[in-house]
Amino acid sequence: AQSVTQPDIHITVSEGASLELRCNYSYGATPYLFWYVQSPGQGLQLLLKYFSGDTLVQGIKGFEAEFKRSQSSFNLRKPSVHWSDAAEYFCAVGASGTYKYIFGTGTRLKVLA
Amino acid sequence: NAGVTQTPKFQVLKTGQSMTLQCAQDMNHEYMSWYRQDPGMGLRLIHYSVGAGITDQGEVPNGYNVSRSTTEDFPLRLLSAAPSQTSVYFCASRAGGRDGNEKLFFGSGTQLSVL
Repeated sequence: AQSVTQPDIHITVSEGASLELRCNYSYGATPYLFWYVQSPGQGLQLLLKYFSGDTLVQGIKGFEAEFKRSQSSFNLRKPSVHWSDAAEYFCAVGASGTYKYIFGTGTRLKVLA
Repeated sequence: NAGVTQTPKFQVLKTGQSMTLQCAQDMNHEYMSWYRQDPGMGLRLIHYSVGAGITDQGEVPNGYNVSRSTTEDFPLRLLSAAPSQTSVYFCASRAGGRDGNEKLFFGSGTQLSVL
């Protein structure tokens, strides 16, 4: 079955510390992978996406993610977290030939001053 | 450029009432969709449309109806609201055809409570 797993429901980091949010997927076709961020009371905004080529992709706000096909993972990273990064982060997968996207359950990030 | 606009932002209904959540986009996107967001369950697709007059079911379509008479608008109808439909609803659109590598543009959501 197709699925996206975000194993961490909540993560707390100190401002200035590094961050890694985990995402694993199960998808039969070659996946397109996305990370979205949701600030409180807002809709989701795209951080970055992977669909081909270089497996390390850069996004907005200093985020990056690495696609590892052998591990079926697409983890999101940031070297130094800012207080404004506190939000909920969603990993999602799409595929060629489909109009449907599958979202993970989200990881809520708290940033300590 | 307004993007994706959802109305209302908040709504309280009584069980059995009907209502329509509105969604409009001004980006000429063919693809539009509705998601519901529940704690611990992420976003689940309710219905989607790939153009005027074309709609299809997503993962959780029961209790919801949609139609697409124009490219811009994609309303979601609750015919007889139930407490299980208490949720936050998001409308999303994207450009492109039958290829899932395009990003979704989301509205700011509608928080619905059914008593």
